[in-house]
Amino acid sequence: SQTIHQWPATLVQPVGSPLSLECTVEGTSNPNLYWYRQAAGRGLQLLFYSIGIDQISSEVPQNLSASRPQDRQFILSSKKLLLSDSGFYLCAWTTGGTGEKLFFGSGTQLSVL
Amino acid sequence: RKEVEQDPGPFNVPEGATVAFNCTYSNSASQSFFWYRQDCRKEPKLLMSVYSSGNEDGRFTAQLNRASQYISLLIRDSKLSDSATYLCARGSGGYNKLIFGAGTRLAVHP
Repeated sequence: SQTIHQWPATLVQPVGSPLSLECTVEGTSNPNLYWYRQAAGRGLQLLFYSIGIDQISSEVPQNLSASRPQDRQFILSSKKLLLSDSGFYLCAWTTGGTGEKLFFGSGTQLSVL
Repeated sequence: RKEVEQDPGPFNVPEGATVAFNCTYSNSASQSFFWYRQDCRKEPKLLMSVYSSGNEDGRFTAQLNRASQYISLLIRDSKLSDSATYLCARGSGGYNKLIFGAGTRLAVHP
């Protein structure tokens, strides 16, 4: 069966510091991968998605970037965090078909102080 | 108009009650729809897909109304454990991207 791992679970970072969140998927190959962010009391916002290695699409302009160095690895990064980057970050995956269900990792609660 | 809109609630209902949530969407071309459940500080978990003909899974029934561009979730015989936030989502373009609503909070009390 497929599983998705995301870490760390909680992160507190000062403004201006770098960020690296990692997500890996097991039990499948060539998944579509996604990064979402959920601000407090708000819905999920799609940040990036990837359909293959080194293929990244950005949904919103922002202070973040994403990379996919391996088929089942997806990384979210920032060179300098802003206060507004605080939120609950969720990695998700699905197969490459149409209308397929999206499954989420356990998320990272990021607080930028 | 937001792409996906939900009443934030909270819906406070007693155990055993029937409760229904609606979710409206703005893109009539959407082909896939889902309901997710999210517990506090946890990841959303897929509750059920929503099919054009309507579908049922135990106490949960989902329906799609394309003409009025909304989907609904009906929960019968509410349990305390149903207390959570319910997110609706619709497909957006290709690559299985989903657009989510902000969620409807349900609180079931004894």
